[in-house]
Amino acid sequence: SQTIHQWPATLVQPVGSPLSLECTVEGTSNPNLYWYRQAAGRGLQLLFYSVGIGQISSEVPQNLSASRPQDRQFILSSKKLLLSDSGFYLCAWSVRGFSNQPQHFGDGTRLSIL
Amino acid sequence: DAKTTQPTSMDCAEGRAANLPCNHSTISGNEYVYWYRQIHSQGPQYIIHGLKNNETNEMASLIITEDRKSSTLILPHATLRDTAVYYCIVRVGAGGGADGLTFGKGTHLIIQP
Repeated sequence: SQTIHQWPATLVQPVGSPLSLECTVEGTSNPNLYWYRQAAGRGLQLLFYSVGIGQISSEVPQNLSASRPQDRQFILSSKKLLLSDSGFYLCAWSVRGFSNQPQHFGDGTRLSIL
Repeated sequence: DAKTTQPTSMDCAEGRAANLPCNHSTISGNEYVYWYRQIHSQGPQYIIHGLKNNETNEMASLIITEDRKSSTLILPHATLRDTAVYYCIVRVGAGGGADGLTFGKGTHLIIQP
C-alpha cells in the first residue's frame, strides 16, 4: 500500500532563518505531488504541484520554493522565513494520469515562526 | 467546482450509524463527489468518492441521489475516533495537476460516548 511521510512534525524557527521540509511517498511510482498550507482557522491553499522530477508549478508567489529531486521526494524550502509563513504545511500525492483519483495527504508539519 | 452545503455540526452516539448530508444542487455531469475528514492537528484523510452510483469501502458508504443534487456519507458504526470535521467536495477531478483542493467549512461530527 502507499504511504506518505512528512517531517518534521513540528518546527519552531526564527524570522529570517532558512527552511527545508521534506515529503516522501512510498508504494507508488510517478505520482503527482502537492504542497499546501493551512493557516489557523482557514482552508487549504495550494502552494506548489509537480507532475514529474524537476517539474514544479507555483500557484502562489511568495518566498517559498519547491523542488523534486527524485520521483517520490518533494521538498519545500525558504531562504528567509517571514512571520506570515507560520502555518500547517501539508504534502499530498495522487495517481498521475487519472484526474478523478483522490489526493492523499501526509500528517503535516506545524511551523511556528518567532 | 460546484458549491456544496453541509450542516455546521452533528452529534452521533457511539456505535450508531452517522449520516452526514451534503447538498450540491449545481453539480454538473462530469463532477465527482469526494469526502474527506480532518481530525484535529492531522492532515485531511480521503474517505470515498463517487460519480453517480452508490459506493462503499472499508470506511464508509456514499449514497448519491438519482438527480445527483445531494449525497450522504454513512459511517456504519461510529466510534469516538470518528470525531472530526468532514468535508464534501464536488469537482471534475481531485487528482490532476493544478487542481488544488478547496475545502469549505465542513461538518464537525462529534461522536458521543
